[in-house]
Amino acid sequence: QSVLTQPPSASGTPGQRVTISCSGSNSNIGGNTVQWYQQLPGTAPKLLIYSSNQRASGVPDRFSGSRSGTSASLAISGLQSEDEADYFCEAWDDSLKELLFGGGTKLTVL
Amino acid sequence: QLQLQESGPGLVKSSETLSLTCSVSGASISSSSYYWGWIRQPPGKGLEWIGSIYYTGTTYYNLSLKSRVSISRDTSKNQFSLKMTSVTAADTAVYYCARHGSSYGFEAFDMWGQGTRVTVSS
Repeated sequence: QSVLTQPPSASGTPGQRVTISCSGSNSNIGGNTVQWYQQLPGTAPKLLIYSSNQRASGVPDRFSGSRSGTSASLAISGLQSEDEADYFCEAWDDSLKELLFGGGTKLTVL
Repeated sequence: QLQLQESGPGLVKSSETLSLTCSVSGASISSSSYYWGWIRQPPGKGLEWIGSIYYTGTTYYNLSLKSRVSISRDTSKNQFSLKMTSVTAADTAVYYCARHGSSYGFEAFDMWGQGTRVTVSS
């Protein structure tokens, strides 16, 4: 059971906008930045979003991040088939003194 | 261009020690304010941070693994290593080495190795 909670799955059709949530607590998301990673099948994770809402270099502006209170979200607009992947949130936890990852959300493009 | 490459045995016997090395090219692990970390992913599961070593040599560990894990570096070879003792089947995973602490922030892992699969056998 991950300290950062993500829905196990999400889905959408091409062109749609989908949102993936990440829920935490005051000791992690509530007080620190959130990162989002995309993991395509059989590959290493790739940094998409850092500092909660900043896109990493080369990441299309279809991807956006936000944080409010103890929750964060990743939004993907104009969904494309190549967006089908696992998505993970991540944050530092002040109490545990650890870097935490969410359990991951498998995004299916229908 | 920065590259990280994991290496080590793909099969380790239960109760023995897992040893992996990450070879870094394109940047020095001892001359920039970066952290060099290990993350693992059990089959079909999520990511777990194992620990990191700062460019100064200071180490940071996941508390749940700290008693069994050590991370060290060899600056002459520009490599950092992971040792995990008393492994069990629960340690079977793909192990990644990665960099964090760049301009993207302390928490952001911006460069990753391709990962190496380690199976613990009984």
